[in-house]
Amino acid sequence: EAQVTQNPRYLITVTGKKLTVTCSQNMNHEYMSWYRQDPGLGLRQIYYSMNVEVTDKGDVPEGYKVSRKEKRNFPLILESPSPNQTSLYFCASSLRRPTNEKLFFGSGTQLSVL
Amino acid sequence: AQSVTQLDSQVPVFEEAPVELRCNYSSSVSVYLFWYVQYPNQGLQLLLKYLSGSTLVKGINGFEAEFNKSQTSFHLRKPSVHISDTAEYFCAVSVWHGSGGSNYKLTFGKGTLLTVNP
Repeated sequence: EAQVTQNPRYLITVTGKKLTVTCSQNMNHEYMSWYRQDPGLGLRQIYYSMNVEVTDKGDVPEGYKVSRKEKRNFPLILESPSPNQTSLYFCASSLRRPTNEKLFFGSGTQLSVL
Repeated sequence: AQSVTQLDSQVPVFEEAPVELRCNYSSSVSVYLFWYVQYPNQGLQLLLKYLSGSTLVKGINGFEAEFNKSQTSFHLRKPSVHISDTAEYFCAVSVWHGSGGSNYKLTFGKGTLLTVNP
């Protein structure tokens, strides 16, 4: 089944403790992206990747890191999480450009930073 | 720069009533337009998209949207809603930069929560 898989589904952590949220897709998609969803603010893009070893900042990249060493994986890294990073995070992928193609979304990761 | 405005943050309706969710965009060049739906505790799914051609676009689950260039709008409609249509709906826009363009930017609106009551 074609899907985008994120783990974990729920995560509670403390300020400053490094964490990684994993994302994997099985559709051989070139494009992958991370979004955060906050009430009243909708979806905001954090980082995206056009292909292996090619990444770029979205609208809210501060405090986050990404890497794309393999086509199928696009982990999101929070080196030193802070409470303002408490949010619902989504990974998404598309075959090439999301600008004219369907984006496939993961089920989300609810992160709480205490 | 492109932007999208969803005029209503919440829309409550009764079952079997018609509904319209409003979306306006801002761009000085040609655009692609999308509606995505997010059911409770799930990721987003594509409902429909406008790339070119007919301005009336039909999507899944009986939804349709009309692209109106003069009013820069892309409103979503359904003639008769069901309880199962309760979800958050997101309008999104991207700008066409030509066949050799390098645009990867898809901008989402803030969402409209549609609540269908019995």
